[in-house]
Amino acid sequence: AQSVSQHNHHVILSEAASLELGCNYSYGGTVNLFWYVQYPGQHLQLLLKYFSGDPLVKGIKGFEAEFIKSKFSFNLRKPSVQWSDTAEYFCAASSFGNEKLTFGTGTRLTIIP
Amino acid sequence: GAGVSQTPSNKVTEKGKYVELRCDPISGHTALYWYRQSLGQGPEFLIYFQGTGAADDSGLPNDRFFAVRPEGSVSTLKIQRTERGDSAVYLCASSFSGGLGYTFGSGTRLTVV
Repeated sequence: AQSVSQHNHHVILSEAASLELGCNYSYGGTVNLFWYVQYPGQHLQLLLKYFSGDPLVKGIKGFEAEFIKSKFSFNLRKPSVQWSDTAEYFCAASSFGNEKLTFGTGTRLTIIP
Repeated sequence: GAGVSQTPSNKVTEKGKYVELRCDPISGHTALYWYRQSLGQGPEFLIYFQGTGAADDSGLPNDRFFAVRPEGSVSTLKIQRTERGDSAVYLCASSFSGGLGYTFGSGTRLTVV
């Protein structure tokens, strides 16, 4: 069955620290990958997406993610976090040509000023 | 409208009652999606509409759940004989012509008591 795993449930960092949130997927065939963010009290927003091409994807607000096919991973990174990055982060995947997204359980990120 | 609008934002209902949840997508978006997010989990796919027709309803958990989109715009998710396990945040999203990376609404928090 298709699945997405996020092993970090809650991450606490100080401002200016570097961030890496893990995401692993289990899909047969070509996969599309996404990171969504949900700030406190707000709706889910798309951070970045990977369909094909350059495996290093740059998104909004300084975030990037790297698709490593051999590791079935799509980890999210940011070199220097800010207090405003406090949010819940969801990794998601879909099969090529399929509209249905499978989400991970999310990682809650808390940034300490 | 500027974003995906969902009403009501909160709904409390008694076990066994019928509820309707409404989604008003972004104007011009032909694709509409419903997801359900339980506490501590990522969103879980329910159904996807392309225009007026349900293109994929494989995520609907059972026949108590039904969704319509009669004019290809507003959609209503209908739940009959609600159960306590139906308590969750119901999310709606829309996209232009089925493009992935869709826009989510703020959700309807359904509580069945």
